[in-house]
Order: sequence, then C-alpha cells, then structure tokens
Amino acid sequence: DAMVIQNPRYQVTQFGKPVTLSCSQTLNHNVMYWYQQKSSQAPKLLFHYYDKDFNNEADTPDNFQSRRPNTSFCFLDIRSPGLGDAAMYLCATQVSGANVLTFGAGSRLTVL
Amino acid sequence: AQTVTQSQPEMSVQEAETVTLSCTYDTSESDYYLFWYKQPPSRQMILVIRQEAYKQQNATENRFSVNFQKAAKSFSLKISDSQLGDAAMYFCASNSFRGAGNMLTFGGGTRLMVKP
Repeated sequence: DAMVIQNPRYQVTQFGKPVTLSCSQTLNHNVMYWYQQKSSQAPKLLFHYYDKDFNNEADTPDNFQSRRPNTSFCFLDIRSPGLGDAAMYLCATQVSGANVLTFGAGSRLTVL
Repeated sequence: AQTVTQSQPEMSVQEAETVTLSCTYDTSESDYYLFWYKQPPSRQMILVIRQEAYKQQNATENRFSVNFQKAAKSFSLKISDSQLGDAAMYFCASNSFRGAGNMLTFGGGTRLMVKP
C-alpha cells in the first residue's frame, strides 16, 4: 500500500492559472519535503517542513508556496505557473533524525 | 555546498549480466551518507542502497553493492545478475543534516536499460 500519496498524478493548467498539488502520508513522519524534477534533471529541493516549521530553500521562487495543515497533509501551491514550471513534483517524508526519505509517485504538471 | 555528478546519462546491460553506474560527489560535510535511489517509469523513487561515509566497508544489498572510495569522492553502484525490473532511472545522492531535515543533493541520473 502506498504510504506517501500524491494527487493528482497528472495536472494540466494554463499559463498563469493557479494550481495546488497535494501530498498525504500514513507514516506519521514529522518531516515533509517538496522537490521539483524537470525533465532529465536531478530533483531539486523547494522546501521542507519539520512539523509545522516551514523551511524555504534560498533559490525557491516566490511563485511557489506550501501549506501543512496537519501531520498527514502537505500542499504545494503554484500561484502563477509559467512554462518553466512544467515538471514532476515529488513529495517525500522522513522521520526526524533519520536519513532515509520515503517518496510519493509524483505529480506531473503540464503548463499550456 | 554539495555537488553530485553522474557522468553516464544512459547505460545498457544484458539480462543476467553485471553493470556499474558511476557517481562522484563533493561535500563540505564531515559526516554524511551517500545513497542510490531508483526511479522506475511513472513510479515512486525508492532507496536501493546507502553508505555511511565513516564506514570503510562497502554496503551490499542482495544484488546491489557499492564501491565507495572516500579519498577519490567516488561512489559507484554495481548491479549483479541484472533483471528486467532493474530498468529505471538511478540517482546518486549525498546528504547534509540541517536541523531535523535530511537534505539530499541528487546527481543528474543514469537511465538503465536492461535487454532481454
């Protein structure tokens, strides 16, 4: 059974139309991450949460925001998607202090 | 700052044969881990194997083993008796701890194809 679930798996949006991607986990892990993976590139960390503490990477564009209303759920909001935001977005979780991440299957975003 | 480099964008191996994927890294961390993750098409990324940098002994997980050369900052993955299910993107990664978070820096990936 999938333990980190991302929805939707595929999202198509129009240029400038806000989009929200969701991630839920059944592992009760207190750390959650969002990575952006563009085609044929390495996943790049956007931000992470330790419980409700939000940590933004220095080069994450302001266009990207995140919410974590509770332990189980985390959302990625893209306020005004541009063509360059088309990518796979990966959610991952981790127990605090551990070194192994559990990934979801990803949400592939297409921007028209 | 950390960098991870995978110099082989694509590799191909015959079923049942052995293949080695290369990875070099650079880190300013004194205590770190190295990882190989597998990402099958349209499926989640899963951990294949990890190595603690302070351990000299190379990690092994069934058909998967690593050759960790700390001085050379090299961390290659050997897959023995390759199977069709091994076909995937393979990412090498190093970590740094920041508070409770475990920040991974990934290489660009190697696409492994397995020929029947």
